Amino acid sequence: DQQVKQNSPSLSVQEGRISILNCDYTNSMFDYFLWYKKYPAEGPTFLISISSIKDKNEDGRFTVFLNKSAKHLSLHIVPSQPGDSAVYFCAASDSGTASKLTFGTGTRLQVTL
Amino acid sequence: EPEVTQTPSHQVTQMGQEVILRCVPISNHLYFYWYRQILGQKVEFLVSFYNNEISEKSEIFDDQFSVERPDGSNFTLKIRSTKLEDSAMYFCASSSRYKDSTDTQYFGPGTRLTVL
Repeated sequence: DQQVKQNSPSLSVQEGRISILNCDYTNSMFDYFLWYKKYPAEGPTFLISISSIKDKNEDGRFTVFLNKSAKHLSLHIVPSQPGDSAVYFCAASDSGTASKLTFGTGTRLQVTL
Repeated sequence: EPEVTQTPSHQVTQMGQEVILRCVPISNHLYFYWYRQILGQKVEFLVSFYNNEISEKSEIFDDQFSVERPDGSNFTLKIRSTKLEDSAMYFCASSSRYKDSTDTQYFGPGTRLTVL
């Protein structure tokens, strides 16, 4: 039951360029979406979120775009830095029932020099 | 900056033994969660907890699992009789609000449970 999918298991980007991480969801009840960053042996670290009433949210180098009709969201990191190398998880919740998060499988981002 | 803490960082146990994983949520948060991540798989929801009772639990959270808030700061996950397939990273999370789509859950560093 993959309600949240991240179809790219890995992504390699040069330092200074844009990183674009994608996420698709199937549950139309989801109305809140988050991106988490995770280093090995650490817990997920919250990066940025977006409510379904918006289509874009920006925080510094990070921007999340939401396309509700396509059930798709993306995370843009500009400019990418070597310290951004980590696994990025997309997560979604349905505020109408419970706030449990449903996670995607993650995308490993490698930012090269 | 306030953070969620978890102890121990790594727990090794024999199959059939009981384990208790401990978490100290962020101090002004009222909603608490446990998630787990089996190696190579995605993070999965186990249980949510509010006002001293379980709000929601997943199919994974069977009778072998229980949660408790024994005092004003700790939040624990107990596995009564561990199985090999319980080996995973267990993450605690907390948030300040519930059933609010603008809420954010903050995660601890995790406890790696190894069942031999």
